[in-house]
Amino acid sequence: QVQLQESGPGLVKPSETLSLTCTVSGDSVSSTSYYWTWIRQPPGRGLEWIGYIYYNGNSNYNPSLNSRVTISADTSKNQFSLKLSSVTAVDTAVYYCARRHCDDGRCYFDYWGQGTLVTVSS
Amino acid sequence: AIQMTQSPSSLSASVGDRVTITCRASQDIRNDLGWYQQKPGKAPKLLIYVASSLQSAVPSRFSGSGSGTDFTLTISSLQPEDFATYYCLQDYNYPLTFGGGTKVEIK
Repeated sequence: QVQLQESGPGLVKPSETLSLTCTVSGDSVSSTSYYWTWIRQPPGRGLEWIGYIYYNGNSNYNPSLNSRVTISADTSKNQFSLKLSSVTAVDTAVYYCARRHCDDGRCYFDYWGQGTLVTVSS
Repeated sequence: AIQMTQSPSSLSASVGDRVTITCRASQDIRNDLGWYQQKPGKAPKLLIYVASSLQSAVPSRFSGSGSGTDFTLTISSLQPEDFATYYCLQDYNYPLTFGGGTKVEIK
């Protein structure tokens, strides 16, 4: 059974860097066909795709965040991480990590972490 | 970025009702669309992928249709556990984008 678990500080000060880690069990971040992804949801609002890292190290980010976001993977720990710099209150959200499965042109998010709330406040 | 417009943004329905939610893409996305259900405090759950394929273990009362720019999620007979918010997601190109959500409430 694949499981994903987010971890990291729940409170970040404005202008600082938000750092979260997603620990994967039941699968490997080195597996092909999977895009290890971060998605966020501001309180009471909709979902926003942040970006992914692929097994070969390739990554892709939402242009709305592109200059502030970095997603990386640590294969030795079977984790992938999100760093979002220069945060402001608008970055307050529940952050989800998720596995995007792509097979023969069909893609979907089949496993999600439970989500972690990050509040940006001084 | 491709804009995904969902309608309605909310609806009230009774157990047993047939419910239809629509999603319109700002450009042709072939059939690269998924539907997700989210309950309060929980992560989204995949219901439908590539517009009409039912995810394993999802009840058959859920179905999806459409291609190009117009898509529909149908719940044939609403059950108590179906009261939730539903999101469409285009997986055609980056950045991936979600619809604004449809909250299904109890009438």
